[in-house]
Amino acid sequence: EAGVTQSPTHLIKTRGQQVTLRCSPISGHTSVYWYQQALGLGLQFLLWYDEGEERNRGNFPPRFSGRQFPNYSSELNVNALELEDSALYLCASSSSRDSDRDTQYFGPGTRLTVL
Amino acid sequence: AQSVTQPDIHITVSEGASLELRCNYSYGATPYLFWYVQSPGQGLQLLLKYFSGDTLVQGIKGFEAEFKRSQSSFNLRKPSVHWSDAAEYFCAVVPLTGGGNKLTFGTGTQLKVEL
Repeated sequence: EAGVTQSPTHLIKTRGQQVTLRCSPISGHTSVYWYQQALGLGLQFLLWYDEGEERNRGNFPPRFSGRQFPNYSSELNVNALELEDSALYLCASSSSRDSDRDTQYFGPGTRLTVL
Repeated sequence: AQSVTQPDIHITVSEGASLELRCNYSYGATPYLFWYVQSPGQGLQLLLKYFSGDTLVQGIKGFEAEFKRSQSSFNLRKPSVHWSDAAEYFCAVVPLTGGGNKLTFGTGTQLKVEL
């Protein structure tokens, strides 16, 4: 069974630009989560999508946004990039089955560098 | 305030020695509890989880964790550490209510294994 996949692996942008990160969940999983892991700030929750709807949002400015598609894949968009957006962005997915609903499985991440 | 604490930032053990990584949580009701491991530049891999039931939980790679309600702890253990266990370990929780399904992580413990 394929795990969570993310693309691209790495990317470099300059301040003010916009970026889109992509995530494909484990087959059969309907929820997708986004986390930011920035140096010195730890792992912070960004967004949760389930069945195409945004269910929860972390303490991030509105320039962080995303969406979930009918096939349950997801995009994270970051507008007006700032230097402090440099981080590893991790996507996770979870199943809708009650027995495993609260267990999140992570992808390899996308390393974003903002210059 | 609700929080997850990993008191040890760095731990160094010799290969073959036993390991215990500490995790304490502060929540009104016992949350769902998880341990994840992250190798450098990689995503998070789930080691084990506790929802309810038997307080000693077995995970992958020979790891186990013990839930102690009286101490609000969920410590990770391994009887004999291998050099390949060198990585960063994160304790995480999902609250039963009001958490919006987001994982809240501890600050992590960096494990170094001496040969």
